[in-house]
Amino acid sequence: EAGVAQSPRYKIIEKRQSVAFWCNPISGHATLYWYQQILGQGPKLLIQFQNNGVVDDSQLPKDRFSAERLKGVDSTLKIQPAKLEDSAVYLCASSSRSSSGNTIYFGEGSWLTVV
Amino acid sequence: QKEVEQDPGPLSVPEGAIVSLNCTYSNSAFQYFMWYRQYSRKGPELLMYTYSSGNKEDGRFTAQVDKSSKYISLFIRDSQPSDSATYLCAMSTPSGGSYIPTFGRGTSLIVHP
Repeated sequence: EAGVAQSPRYKIIEKRQSVAFWCNPISGHATLYWYQQILGQGPKLLIQFQNNGVVDDSQLPKDRFSAERLKGVDSTLKIQPAKLEDSAVYLCASSSRSSSGNTIYFGEGSWLTVV
Repeated sequence: QKEVEQDPGPLSVPEGAIVSLNCTYSNSAFQYFMWYRQYSRKGPELLMYTYSSGNKEDGRFTAQVDKSSKYISLFIRDSQPSDSATYLCAMSTPSGGSYIPTFGRGTSLIVHP
């Protein structure tokens, strides 16, 4: 079974520029998450989708971050304009209701450095 | 006070040692308790999960949950250099039919030969 795919793996941009990250979840997983993990910290949920609807985006900085999940499969997370404090790993994850305890499966992450 | 507290370490042990990793939490509504392992430059991968209080064993790994003390532990027996990674505890409670885990900051473990 293929895992969660993310791209690009690494991105360096200047502050005030924009960046987009793409995620393809595990086939059949209806729930998709975007997490932000700053160095030395645990992952923090940014947004959760159930199919193509948003379940929770309470911690998404909506003035600069946006995310969409068209057709309930792939998802894109965009940051515009980027700030220095956005330097982090952006982790995409997916789960299905049949997963034990709603186990979530992470991709390898997209590493963003803002300079 | 954060919902989930975890000592970041690093914790350095010799090969073969028994490792104890711990987390405390404040939200009594948490029902699922999980441990994830994260290797450098990789995403977290689920090691074990436990529902409510009790122990769960899987090979060299044992997870313990004490809901009365709001304290969870992961024990690693006969630790190996390949166990060197960051271990994240996570906890969740049902919300709208799904479970959104809240993570600790992770403990860095180094097992040296």
